[in-house]
Amino acid sequence: EPEVTQTPSHQVTQMGQEVILRCVPISNHLYFYWYRQILGQKVEFLVSFYNNEISEKSEIFDDQFSVERPDGSNFTLKIRSTKLEDSAMYFCASRGRGGTGELFFGEGSRLTVL
Amino acid sequence: AQSVTQPDIHITVSEGASLELRCNYSYGATPYLFWYVQSPGQGLQLLLKYFSGDTLVQGIKGFEAEFKRSQSSFNLRKPSVHWSDAAEYFCAVGAGNTPLVFGKGTRLSVIA
Repeated sequence: EPEVTQTPSHQVTQMGQEVILRCVPISNHLYFYWYRQILGQKVEFLVSFYNNEISEKSEIFDDQFSVERPDGSNFTLKIRSTKLEDSAMYFCASRGRGGTGELFFGEGSRLTVL
Repeated sequence: AQSVTQPDIHITVSEGASLELRCNYSYGATPYLFWYVQSPGQGLQLLLKYFSGDTLVQGIKGFEAEFKRSQSSFNLRKPSVHWSDAAEYFCAVGAGNTPLVFGKGTRLSVIA
């Protein structure tokens, strides 16, 4: 069964460092998302991406964040200068064509900022 | 703005007992509704979804949910809980191309 894969599964970084989280969405999907979940809290939407551009972003997704689809398979989330409060589990998700809205999630990348 | 409320933060049930997890939503149009499950350290797995038609939907692992438009609810049920059902359960709402909005989750503990 096709799945969304994310790397790394866990990254520890120092405050102020740049971090890139990588995702390989399901191959024929067209819509891509990043969500995050701070420990013990709800899953929050960060950004959606379609047709090589951001289609929607939340208030959380400020100038420190960026997304890119550098080739035909990877979808990356970059945090330019990490802060302590960026520590969270980051989930990538993808969706195929059609309006049913079902997202397929990866297993997440846990980011710990020290 | 759309929102999802899961009023129960934590529920404990005995193995073999029935389960109902509550979900209420606020949405401006006919919503698509989802239940996801998250086991410790794992990602989000789709349990079931409602788009239209029959308001009682069946999902994986013996779960079902009923959409009640008049109550803006989409409660998740299971007639007999297994210890392996212990996890975090998230209700989500969305439609079309809009991003899913998640509730805060309900943590389910199962005791012998």
